[in-house]
Amino acid sequence: AQSVTQLGSHVSVSEGALVLLRCNYSSSVPPYLFWYVQYPNQGLQLLLKYTSAATLVKGINGFEAEFKKSETSFHLTKPSAHMSDAAEYFCAVSDGFGNEKLTFGTGTRLTIIP
Amino acid sequence: DTAVSQTPKYLVTQMGNDKSIKCEQNLGHDTMYWYKQDSKKFLKIMFSYNNKELIINETVPNRFSPKSPDKAHLNLHINSLELGDSAVYFCASSYRTSNNEQFFGPGTRLTVL
Repeated sequence: AQSVTQLGSHVSVSEGALVLLRCNYSSSVPPYLFWYVQYPNQGLQLLLKYTSAATLVKGINGFEAEFKKSETSFHLTKPSAHMSDAAEYFCAVSDGFGNEKLTFGTGTRLTIIP
Repeated sequence: DTAVSQTPKYLVTQMGNDKSIKCEQNLGHDTMYWYKQDSKKFLKIMFSYNNKELIINETVPNRFSPKSPDKAHLNLHINSLELGDSAVYFCASSYRTSNNEQFFGPGTRLTVL
């Protein structure tokens, strides 16, 4: 069974600083990996996804993530944080082969310091 | 144009009552899901339907019964509500391939008193 671990339930960065949100996965088969963002009182929105094409994936709002098989990681980064990035971020994994179930990490709350 | 919509947005009810949450998607997807998000923001899948057929049924109490009248709708009925059922319930939809994005609704915040 697949699983996802997000290190750090809360991350605070200054406006303009680098954002790094960590995600490690466990899967017995090549995984499909996703990052979703949840703004307060809203549903989830896809930021980006890895589906075995390029290992460096670019998403919306300037975010990107790199799939590293050797480290079983899929960390999310953004070079320069903006106040509007404050939200909850979820990493998720799907193990393919027609199994559409998304297994989510516990989420990381990102706070931006003015 | 709303892609995935849920009604109601908020639901406050007493223990022991029966309630339903409705979900509709206009994206033409063939698969729909129900997720539960608890007070600690943890998201867990409950059910999934593909073309009206149940394909995922996680360990959920029998009090929860999903119904899919057609592939654009997936409703969730909950009998004999308990305090622990208080959560935000999200509907989502996608095409049935595992690398496809799931589109989420805005959520229904259920509070059981």
